Formats: sequence, structure tokens, C-alpha cells
Amino acid sequence: QQQVKQSPQSLIVQKGGISIINCAYENTAFDYFPWYQQFPGKGPALLIAIRPDVSEKKEGRFTISFNKSAKQFSLHIMDSQPGDSATYFCAATPSGTYKYIFGTGTRLKVLA
Amino acid sequence: NAGVTQTPKFRILKIGQSMTLQCTQDMNHNYMYWYRQDPGMGLKLIYYSVGAGITDKGEVPNGYNVSRSTTEDFPLRLELAAPSQTSVYFCASSKGRVGSLNTEAFFGQGTRLTVV
Repeated sequence: QQQVKQSPQSLIVQKGGISIINCAYENTAFDYFPWYQQFPGKGPALLIAIRPDVSEKKEGRFTISFNKSAKQFSLHIMDSQPGDSATYFCAATPSGTYKYIFGTGTRLKVLA
Repeated sequence: NAGVTQTPKFRILKIGQSMTLQCTQDMNHNYMYWYRQDPGMGLKLIYYSVGAGITDKGEVPNGYNVSRSTTEDFPLRLELAAPSQTSVYFCASSKGRVGSLNTEAFFGQGTRLTVV
């Protein structure tokens, strides 16, 4: 069964700190790894995404690190702000398919 | 742009009742999806469509039906509601296949459904 395992389930970080969320996948050919951000009462929105031929992608304070051999990828939020408080989902797209396999989500709270 | 619009936002159903969750998008996207989100479980794909007249099952299709008569609309039908269908339902759309270059999925705000 295709799975993406995400940790931690919840995370509390001080303002200005670094938030790190990890995901791991199993023996499946995935070709796209997005991270989605979801605020309460809203639908998920794309935050940043990476392909397996790249080891790192940075957009502003958000960075994805990708380790193809370990089948792991992570989201780093630098200088975390209270406005970053949300639930974050990692996902992966099996090659040639039309769907995402989502992780179980991480609820991030950034303390002011 | 309205993006992806879902109605209703909230609904309480009794066991055995039927209802249709509406989803419409104004971005002329070919691909549309229905996901359900259960607490601590992430989002699971129910059905998807790659264009008008074409639909296919996702990971958890049992108890649901869909149709895609137009590019804009992708309604989700629950025929005999069961407590296991209590969830938050999200509709999404994308221009191309998710994962292809510069194609992201846009999500609606969700429908919170409770079956009692």
C-alpha cells in the first residue's frame, strides 16, 4: 500500500525559531512532493513543492530538503512566525497518476 | 476569481438519507477531485475526473458516486448516509495532472458533514 508517513503530529515553536516537519515514503515511484498549508476552516493551499531530481528547494522562509536514497523529505520553516500557525501536509504523487498521497498532517503552533 | 466553490459548508444528515455535495470551479481546469479529511488521517481521494464525461475511483469510493457533465461542475453524491461518512469533504481542481510541471491542485473550503 502506498503511504507517506509524517511526523511529528504536532509541534510548538517559539517565534523566530525553526520548525521542522518530516515525511518518509515507501517503495513506490513518486515523482512530485508538495507541501500544503491549511488554516482552520479553509482548504489546503500549496506552499512549496519539489521533484526527486533536486535535493533542496527554497522559497522565502520555507525550504524542502529531499533525500532520495533514504526516501525522506522535510519542510523547514525559518524564523517561524505566529502567522505560520496552521496544519501542514506533505504529499507525494505516484508516477503517471492523477492523485496525491497525503501524510497525516502536522499541527504547528508558533508562540508569540 | 472565485476558484473552487463548495456548497453547503455544513450539513447534518440522518442515517440512510441522501445528499449531493456541490463543487464548481471557474478556472477551466480539466482535472477535478474529491477528498475526505478525517481527524489525524490526512486526506483520502474518493473520486477524480480528468475531463467532462470521465470519472474514476480513488482510494475510498465506496458509498459515493460522482458525475462530470460539464468542465465546471463535479458533484459528489451520497446515496445512503452512514456514520462512517462523517468527515470534512474537499473538492479540488487542477489544470493538468498533479505533479506535472507547474500544476498545483486548488482546494475549496470544504463541507463538514455529520451523519447521525
